[in-house]
Amino acid sequence: DTEVTQTPKHLVMGMTNKKSLKCEQHMGHRAMYWYKQKAKKPPELMFVYSYEKLSINESVPSRFSPECPNSSLLNLHLHALQPEDSALYLCASSLIGGNQPQHFGDGTRLSIL
Amino acid sequence: QQQVKQSPQSLIVQKGGISIINCAYENTAFDYFPWYQQFPGKGPALLIAIRPDVSEKKEGRFTISFNKSAKQFSLHIMDSQPGDSATYFCAGQYNYGQNFVFGPGTRLSVLP
Repeated sequence: DTEVTQTPKHLVMGMTNKKSLKCEQHMGHRAMYWYKQKAKKPPELMFVYSYEKLSINESVPSRFSPECPNSSLLNLHLHALQPEDSALYLCASSLIGGNQPQHFGDGTRLSIL
Repeated sequence: QQQVKQSPQSLIVQKGGISIINCAYENTAFDYFPWYQQFPGKGPALLIAIRPDVSEKKEGRFTISFNKSAKQFSLHIMDSQPGDSATYFCAGQYNYGQNFVFGPGTRLSVLP
C-alpha cells in the first residue's frame, strides 16, 4: 500500500460535470504534486505546491483547478473537461530541501464521456 | 534541455538474466536521479536513486551506474524475475525536486 492515498480510484464524468479528485498524505511532506499520465507514456507534471502555495503551473488549462487546503491534502477540481483529458491522474508528495524523492499514489483513472 | 532520454523502449529478458536500461540527460542542473517502477494500474514506486557525485549505488538486485562526464546513467537488474516485469522510468530533478522530468519509460518483460 502506498502512503499517498488518492480518491476516487475511478471516475467517469460527462463534459459538463464538476468533480474533484482528492489526495492525502501523512508523511509530513510539504511539497505536493499533480501529474497526468496517458497510456504508455510517462507522467507529465501539472502543478506543484510548496508549503501549501502553488509554485509551479505547467501551463495547464483552467478547467483544471488545484487546491491545497492544508499540508496533508491536495485537491484537483475538474470542470468542463474534454475527452482528451481522460487519463490517470497521479498525486505525489515529497520533503522539501536536499535530494528528496517523490512518493506517488496509485492515481485516479478518469474517463470523460 | 529538460529532456531525459531512455532506452530501450522495451526489453525482454529470460529469468535469471541481467536487465539493463540506459538513460541520458543534457541539463547539468539535475542533481538527483531516481528510478521508478510502475505496475499496471499502480502509481510509480521509487526503486533506487543516485546523486551525480556517486558513480555507483547498489540496493539488493538493483544497481545504478552513473557517468557524470558522459551525462549517462543506467539501471542493472541482476537475476531478473518474472515479478520484475513492469515499466521502468528514469528521472532527473533539481531545484529541490520542484523541477522533475521523467524519461519515456522501458517496458520490461521477464520470461519464466
